[in-house]
Amino acid sequence: GAVVSQHPSWVICKSGTSVKIECRSLDFQATTMFWYRQFPKQSLMLMATSNEGSKATYEQGVEKDKFLINHASLTLSTLTVTSAHPEDSSFYICSALDTGTRGTGELFFGEGSRLTVL
Amino acid sequence: LAKTTQPISMDSYEGQEVNITCSHNNIATNDYITWYQQFPSQGPRFIIQGYKTKVTNEVASLFIPADRKSSTLSLPRVSLSDTAVYYCLVGDRTSGTYKYIFGTGTRLKVLA
Repeated sequence: GAVVSQHPSWVICKSGTSVKIECRSLDFQATTMFWYRQFPKQSLMLMATSNEGSKATYEQGVEKDKFLINHASLTLSTLTVTSAHPEDSSFYICSALDTGTRGTGELFFGEGSRLTVL
Repeated sequence: LAKTTQPISMDSYEGQEVNITCSHNNIATNDYITWYQQFPSQGPRFIIQGYKTKVTNEVASLFIPADRKSSTLSLPRVSLSDTAVYYCLVGDRTSGTYKYIFGTGTRLKVLA
């Protein structure tokens, strides 16, 4: 079964509203989570690295005030798209790095969240 | 950061063995090589991971030469359901600060 869960799996919102996407690691603690966005027929683009208890590290060109990331616990990171516009419509994917008890060092991905901004 | 290069696309027929090679010339000593499969509108799914030589699991094999500057994912007897995009990632799995950057991936199409 899935070890990283995203919610919601899809969301439609009006332009100007904010949308929150949750990413949970289900059976391991993740001090580090990553947020990606993916446009159709393209690869995943890393947006930011989310570290538990500290500020996220954003990739160049990603607006931190636009994409708010909170990693308040070892099993939950949230991405909030603020004042969403149609160009923010995309597939958002989170991943969690298991460097702990499972010992695999594996990067687990969520199922993705498709955001459509009207 | 280790950068990966893969063929953009490949076609194969059902029942054939498919080999997808990934170049990672600046791989670091602590880096592992991991391959993922992605279907449309889904998150990537782990296939296999290795550090050197050969690794085999129930779905694939991973061949890594001694210099580790490349790796080859081998899918035995592919079926139509193996049509997907395959990504290789290189990273230090023990580091919580490492950034996993995706390359272009290889779009595999399996034909009947």
